[in-house]
Amino acid sequence: QVQLVQSGSELKKPGASVKVSCKASGYTFTRYGMNWVRQAPGQGLEWLGWINTKTGNPTYAQGFTGRFVFSLDTSVSTAYLQISSLKAEDTAVYYCARDKIGLDYWGQGTLVTVSS
Amino acid sequence: QAGLTQPPSVSKGLRQTATLTCTGNSNNVGNQGAAWLQQHQGHPPKLLSYRNNDRPSGISERFSASRSGNTASLTITGLQPEDEADYYCSAWDSSLSVYVFGTGTKVSVL
Repeated sequence: QVQLVQSGSELKKPGASVKVSCKASGYTFTRYGMNWVRQAPGQGLEWLGWINTKTGNPTYAQGFTGRFVFSLDTSVSTAYLQISSLKAEDTAVYYCARDKIGLDYWGQGTLVTVSS
Repeated sequence: QAGLTQPPSVSKGLRQTATLTCTGNSNNVGNQGAAWLQQHQGHPPKLLSYRNNDRPSGISERFSASRSGNTASLTITGLQPEDEADYYCSAWDSSLSVYVFGTGTKVSVL
């Protein structure tokens, strides 16, 4: 069965960096794009962008260029989200989501807390 | 990016029918159609329907979606306690080349 398993919660100080992983199983990783979505506490869903898992080409939503970087390790079917220069407002649950028929499978989410 | 508009909340009685709406524009909902996601507190979203009314395997027939122009709708029939959740619509915006999400509707089953 399709599964997306994300890395565990992170507590970081402002200005630090974090790298979230999303390991896929149950399907051919390079067949479908991988999206990243975040949800701040008590808020709705916000699309960060997606990465083409066949070519490695990332696309970032407006407002998520520069500090946000998507990457892949196709040898282990894993997508990564790295956020640098963390700010308090980056505190959120970050999800990866496969894009086959829309965003059909989601990871369990990774809580990133930015606090001094 | 501009989001899709949803009513903040809908409350209905047990076994009643709830209809949720999602309004976008001709570049997203009106063009690509909308998908619907259900999110229970503390859990990731779950896809309920895509391309307006196709349901992934395992999704109850009590959930049905439709679209009229730039507005998509999700109808939940025979409301059950487990249907209490937040519901989001989403669509690909072909003009901006971005995914847009709705603001979310909280469904309460009385």
